[in-house]
Parts: sequence; C-alpha cells; structure tokens
Amino acid sequence: DVKVTQSSRYLVKRTGEKVFLECVQDMDHENMFWYRQDPGLGLRLIYFSYDVKMKEKGDIPEGYSVSREKKERFSLILESASTNQTSMYLCASSLLTARPYEQYFGPGTRLTVT
Amino acid sequence: SQQGEEDPQALSIQEGENATMNCSYKTSINNLQWYRQNSGRGLVHLILIRSNEREKHSGRLRVTLDTSKKSSSLLITASRAADTASYFCATVYRDSGNTPLVFGKGTRLSVIA
Repeated sequence: DVKVTQSSRYLVKRTGEKVFLECVQDMDHENMFWYRQDPGLGLRLIYFSYDVKMKEKGDIPEGYSVSREKKERFSLILESASTNQTSMYLCASSLLTARPYEQYFGPGTRLTVT
Repeated sequence: SQQGEEDPQALSIQEGENATMNCSYKTSINNLQWYRQNSGRGLVHLILIRSNEREKHSGRLRVTLDTSKKSSSLLITASRAADTASYFCATVYRDSGNTPLVFGKGTRLSVIA
C-alpha cells in the first residue's frame, strides 16, 4: 500500500516563527502536492512538484515556499507564520505516468498559529 | 481556479437509506474522481470515471457522469454509520498535462444509526 506520512498531526506555533511541514511518500511517486483545507473553502493547492528540485505554484502560494531535495520528501515552509495560516495542511502524491493521477493523501497536519 | 461544486453541502440520512451527492464542473474533463475524508483525516480515493464512461460501480458505490450537463453523481446504497464523512469530487481537465486534481468543496454526509 502507498503510504504518505506527515511529520506532525498537530502543531502550535507563534506568529513570526519559521515553520517546516514535512511529507514523505514511500512509493517512488514523481508528483507531490501541498494543500490547505479550510471550512467552506475546500482544498486549495499551495504548491506541487513533479520532480526533484522542481516546483510549481498552485492557487495560493503567497506566504509559503517548498523544497524537494529528494524524490520521496516534499517540505512546506512558512517563512514567517501568521494567524491566517492556521489551517489543516494535506500532502499528497501520485505517479506521473499513471494517468489519470489518482492521488494518495497523508493524514494531515493541523497547524495553529497564535 | 476551476473547481467542481458538490451539492448538497450537507446531507443527513438514516442508516440503511441511500445517499446521493452531485458534482458539477465547468469545462471538458479527462476524468472525474470521488474521494472520502473522515473527520480530521486525509482523503481516500473511492472511484474514478473516465470522460467516455457513463456509469461505474464499486461495491455499494455507483457513480454516473453526464458530460453534456457537466455533472456527476455519487450514490451510496444501504448506508452505514461508518459512511459518515465528507465526500469530494475532483477533476482532471482535458488539456491539463501534468496539472494536479482540482477539488470541490465537498458534501458532508451524516448517517444516523
């Protein structure tokens, strides 16, 4: 079974802190994604990556950056956390060649910024 | 960005009843997928229907696709309390290349025992 893990289920950070959210997948997937999920807004794509060291902006990249140094790991970075970044963050992965891109999700990280 | 829209936003039914959720989308698609999310967890892929298919079954799930109306429905038959979750449709657009799935806002289903 594909497994996507996220470093923390719950995280509490202070405004202005630098925050790292880690995601690891164990199935050699090329594509990896970061979403945030907020009530009434559904899932919104922050960034995605289809290869090591490659990244593409999603719908809401402002205030975030990403890093993909290894194929299995995709990190989301909040350079200076703000209260409006309090949210559920979901990581996902998929095979590049296995269209039509069924995505596998991690359990999510609920981040609270105070 | 383009997004599917699920309807209704919330649905409450008794155990044993059928649950129907609908999804509308905006432009031509390559395929449409349905995902389930249990409270506070990640999403799990349920079923995929391609643009040239009209109906698909998987266990108690039945998905239909009407490309002329740009809509899909997910039917869960003989619902169980364990079906309580949020359900999302997601689309891959025809000319999207390697772009990600685009998710709707979800339907929250409550099945009462």
